[in-house]
Amino acid sequence: SQQGEEDPQALSIQEGENATMNCSYKTSINNLQWYRQNSGRGLVHLILIRSNEREKHSGRLRVTLDTSKKSSSLLITASRAADTASYFCATDTNQGGKLIFGQGTELSVKP
Amino acid sequence: DAGITQSPRYKITETGRQVTLMCHQTWSHSYMFWYRQDLGHGLRLIYYSAAADITDKGEVPDGYVVSRSKTENFPLTLESATRSQTSVYFCASSEPWTGGGDTQYFGPGTRLTVL
Repeated sequence: SQQGEEDPQALSIQEGENATMNCSYKTSINNLQWYRQNSGRGLVHLILIRSNEREKHSGRLRVTLDTSKKSSSLLITASRAADTASYFCATDTNQGGKLIFGQGTELSVKP
Repeated sequence: DAGITQSPRYKITETGRQVTLMCHQTWSHSYMFWYRQDLGHGLRLIYYSAAADITDKGEVPDGYVVSRSKTENFPLTLESATRSQTSVYFCASSEPWTGGGDTQYFGPGTRLTVL
């Protein structure tokens, strides 16, 4: 089964609201990354949080990591219609460059 | 163009035919990856390569062959295409140990349909 499991699978919100996505994983990690995929496109890296970090910010993105619970969350504040996309977490488990991707959360932001 | 490109972007083929998907990156990244993306399965790693002439199997390698004679190219070949290989295929590259973690950079994908 996948290392990363994301919750919820789909999320629909109104513009201006905050969106929170969660990722759980099974084994110890070096870092955890979040990617975005717009429909029909490749994945784009958003943010990376290392195993010794608890929280990280980038613009409207806030990522937290709880290694004791083996979980991470991605918060997008003040969402916009352009944030509509699928969001994937990916874990780096020190396997020679490989990442293990979750199945993603499909976010829909309605204007 | 700089970056990572895939060709073709769309391909329709028939069962039993050989198909090669191309991937080219201009960053000289050491690592390259092939994934397939299917509904309900997320991204699954097919093969990856740590350097030219070094390749290794991922999660779902059966029915696929890769080669990497040059750092910038990583073609994926379906030796005898089957309907179950209908999918969207993504190539990615990364350069570990640069302080950026193993961040991967993805190509735009190839949508393959096997009839």
